[in-house]
Amino acid sequence: DTEVTQTPKHLVMGMTNKKSLKCEQHMGHRAMYWYKQKAKKPPELMFVYSYEKLSINESVPSRFSPECPNSSLLNLHLHALQPEDSALYLCASSQLLSPWGKNIQYFGAGTRLSVL
Amino acid sequence: GENVEQHPSTLSVQEGDSAVIKCTYSDSASNYFPWYKQELGKRPQLIIDIRSNVGEKKDQRIAVTLNKTAKHFSLHITETQPEDSAVYFCAAFEEYGNKLVFGAGTILRVKS
Repeated sequence: DTEVTQTPKHLVMGMTNKKSLKCEQHMGHRAMYWYKQKAKKPPELMFVYSYEKLSINESVPSRFSPECPNSSLLNLHLHALQPEDSALYLCASSQLLSPWGKNIQYFGAGTRLSVL
Repeated sequence: GENVEQHPSTLSVQEGDSAVIKCTYSDSASNYFPWYKQELGKRPQLIIDIRSNVGEKKDQRIAVTLNKTAKHFSLHITETQPEDSAVYFCAAFEEYGNKLVFGAGTILRVKS
C-alpha cells in the first residue's frame, strides 16, 4: 500500500477562520512533508518531520502551524490566512533511511484551499 | 543550496514521437534524481528515478540518463501516447538538507 490520504479534498475559508488539514499514511514512513503548490508550478516545501519532530521549516509564516501527533499522522493548522495562500497543499511521506539511498516520496492527492 | 533548472517549459509532440526533457543541478553532493508526473488535478507520481552511481535506467517507454560530470539528467519518453500528456517535474535530493529540490516543470502535450 503506497497510499497517503489527505482530508479534506477541498476547503474554502475566510481570513479570520481557523481550520486544519490532515494527512495519514500507514507505510511505516518516518518522514512526512507539507508542500504548497500553485497551478503549473512545482511543489514548494514548507515543513519536514523526521521521527515526529520538526526538522525543516522553510521560513513559513506562523499562520501555518504543523503538528505530527504520531508516526502516521500529520496536521497543518491554518489561522488568519491571506488570499495569496490559496493553493493545493500536498502531504508526502518517505522512509528516512531508504534502501540504496533513495528518498522516494509518496504524495497525497492534496487539499485545494481557497481563502476568501 | 541546490538549484535545479528544467527545460523546456512546454513541449508539444505528435503521438508516436519521442519527447526529451532536460534538467541541470548545481550541487555535486546531490545523489538521487526522481522524475514525477502530475496529471491535471492529480497528485505528483514517481515515474522513474536514478541514483548518482548509475548512468542510465530504463522502464518500458521511459528512460532517464545522468551525467554526473556535467551535472545534468534527462527524461526520455518514446512512442508517446495521449495519456503521457501531463506536467513532468525533475528533482534532485539534497542529502544534507534532507529535501527534494524540484525543477520548474515541463508541460508535455501529445497530439493525436
